[in-house]
Amino acid sequence: NAGVTQTPKFQVLKTGQSMTLQCAQDMNHEYMSWYRQDPGMGLRLIHYSVGAGITDQGEVPNGYNVSRSTTEDFPLRLLSAAPSQTSVYFCASSTGQVNTEAFFGQGTRLTVV
Amino acid sequence: AQSVTQPDIHITVSEGASLELRCNYSYGATPYLFWYVQSPGQGLQLLLKYFSGDTLVQGIKGFEAEFKRSQSSFNLRKPSVHWSDAAEYFCAVSPFGNEKLTFGTGTRLTIIP
Repeated sequence: NAGVTQTPKFQVLKTGQSMTLQCAQDMNHEYMSWYRQDPGMGLRLIHYSVGAGITDQGEVPNGYNVSRSTTEDFPLRLLSAAPSQTSVYFCASSTGQVNTEAFFGQGTRLTVV
Repeated sequence: AQSVTQPDIHITVSEGASLELRCNYSYGATPYLFWYVQSPGQGLQLLLKYFSGDTLVQGIKGFEAEFKRSQSSFNLRKPSVHWSDAAEYFCAVSPFGNEKLTFGTGTRLTIIP
């Protein structure tokens, strides 16, 4: 019973490098989202998707790209990493129906030097 | 725009004592409200949620929360805390179900023997 799986768990990047944070869910959830968590700021929504082929921006989308080619996967791409993107990233998924809960992955800790 | 305020950054309580964590929200309509818990190095786990109906909501691990519309509050309570309750607690609000969550900045709970 995997739930929401994020890879990698830890990553160190140099400024200007690119990378993709992976998120996969096996619950057939339509709704998926990415958050970043920074000290003293809680979690902030980066991008979200209401289904395959549909994505939209959240509160802090700059510097990040997403796509949703399948229901299961929702990768987050950093095209040119900056130190300001040092953070812990969480992926979440849900059915999108009202009286349900969102399930979160274990997080990816990213450091940009 | 919706927002959440958790006025207490850090709370310390003795094991066996009662607990109340404060949460105030700002939202134009009836919100969907949540409390999540995050243990060190872990993802977020849903403690409880309020969508409608009874304003006193029961959750997991013996937690409860009360929705007070007049005060725009959704405070979390537990009558007797256990050492395992030490964690960070986040209040969140959403315009619909569990999508596009807006989180508070969190309250770190320390339990002393």
